[in-house]
Amino acid sequence: SQTIHQWPATLVQPVGSPLSLECTVEGTSNPNLYWYRQAAGRGLQLLFYSVGIGQISSEVPQNLSASRPQDRQFILSSKKLLLSDSGFYLCAWSRGTGDEQYFGPGTRLTVT
Amino acid sequence: AQKVTQAQTEISVVEKEDVTLDCVYETRDTTYYLFWYKQPPSGELVFLIRRNSFDEQNEISGRYSWNFQKSTSSFNFTITASQVVDSAVYFCALSGEAAGNKLTFGGGTRVLVKP
Repeated sequence: SQTIHQWPATLVQPVGSPLSLECTVEGTSNPNLYWYRQAAGRGLQLLFYSVGIGQISSEVPQNLSASRPQDRQFILSSKKLLLSDSGFYLCAWSRGTGDEQYFGPGTRLTVT
Repeated sequence: AQKVTQAQTEISVVEKEDVTLDCVYETRDTTYYLFWYKQPPSGELVFLIRRNSFDEQNEISGRYSWNFQKSTSSFNFTITASQVVDSAVYFCALSGEAAGNKLTFGGGTRVLVKP
């Protein structure tokens, strides 16, 4: 069966510090991968998605970037965090475009 | 452009009552997919159902049932005999070619089931 991992579970970072959130998927190959942000417990916003290694599509221009160095690894980064980057970050995978997405446990980021 | 509207922001019921969550969508696609997800207090989104636009049969899975009506662009979700464990935020979502087959989520409906 497939599982998706995210870490860390919670993170408190000062403004201006760097960020690296990691997501890995097990039990499947060549998945589509997604990063979402959820602010204030509602409304999921798609940040990035990837259909293959090295292929990243950005949905919203902002302070964040994503990379996919391996088939089942998806990383969300920032060089300098802003207060507005606080939120709940969710990674997801799907078999193909249009298929249901399966979500990881999420990372709760607080920027102070 | 595609859009999903969940007009009910919060619903409060007493255990064993039925609760129906409304979802109305907009899309220009003829082929599209509709989804429901549950987000319990732990935060992880749990996939509940996927429906394609050509399958208008209603579906029942245990205490959950879904009513897909293409004529009114709605995909409503009913929980029968609600339980405290059903307390969560429920999201309806849509995927279609017009948006590159990416999921568009509604704003979510918070369901609170009181004992």
